[in-house]
Amino acid sequence: EADIYQTPRYLVIGTGKKITLECSQTMGHDKMYWYQQDPGMELHLIHYSYGVNSTEKGDLSSESTVSRIRTEHFPLTLESARPSHTSQYLCASSEYTGFAEAFFGQGTRLTVV
Amino acid sequence: KNEVEQSPQNLTAQEGEFITINCSYSVGISALHWLQQHPGGGIVSLFMLSSGKKKHGRLIATINIQEKHSSLHITASHPRDSAVYICAVLLAYSGAGSYQLTFGKGTKLSVIP
Repeated sequence: EADIYQTPRYLVIGTGKKITLECSQTMGHDKMYWYQQDPGMELHLIHYSYGVNSTEKGDLSSESTVSRIRTEHFPLTLESARPSHTSQYLCASSEYTGFAEAFFGQGTRLTVV
Repeated sequence: KNEVEQSPQNLTAQEGEFITINCSYSVGISALHWLQQHPGGGIVSLFMLSSGKKKHGRLIATINIQEKHSSLHITASHPRDSAVYICAVLLAYSGAGSYQLTFGKGTKLSVIP
């Protein structure tokens, strides 16, 4: 069983609220990723990190921000949630280059009302 | 046009049937992944392929680099196989973004008892 955890699993929140989606892994992986998936659509990378203090934006523009202060923790923050942020957010980690062995979290389904 | 195309989009099968899901891609890749996404959203990595064929239990994945095509087969399908199966490729030219997977939209499989 994969040791990567996301919380919360489901979140319904009002417009304008600040939210943080948590992602933690206990495998010591340097590489971590956040993906966004709209219903019935493919996943898109929004952020990734090569290690502590390293964060990069992915191929899909996102108003969210991330931080990587500790290896095991890669939180995603929305400063002011909007209905357009309603989506599923998936966190993943891998040890090796090329995604040789990737582990995914259970996802956070976010609804902004 | 998505660089990764999967077929079929939806598939319903009787328990015990042999199932094939196809993935075609249009660019050079260094690796291809098959992922399984459960109804709750969690994703499990099934296979990572760069050539040939891999087998794990009732699942078999093949890839033909020349034809830019991969297939996922499920033998003796079971209702617990019901999920969305996603093909994802690691583009060969990714450069600085070498951890960025490009995803297909997924194939929704329902196996009926």
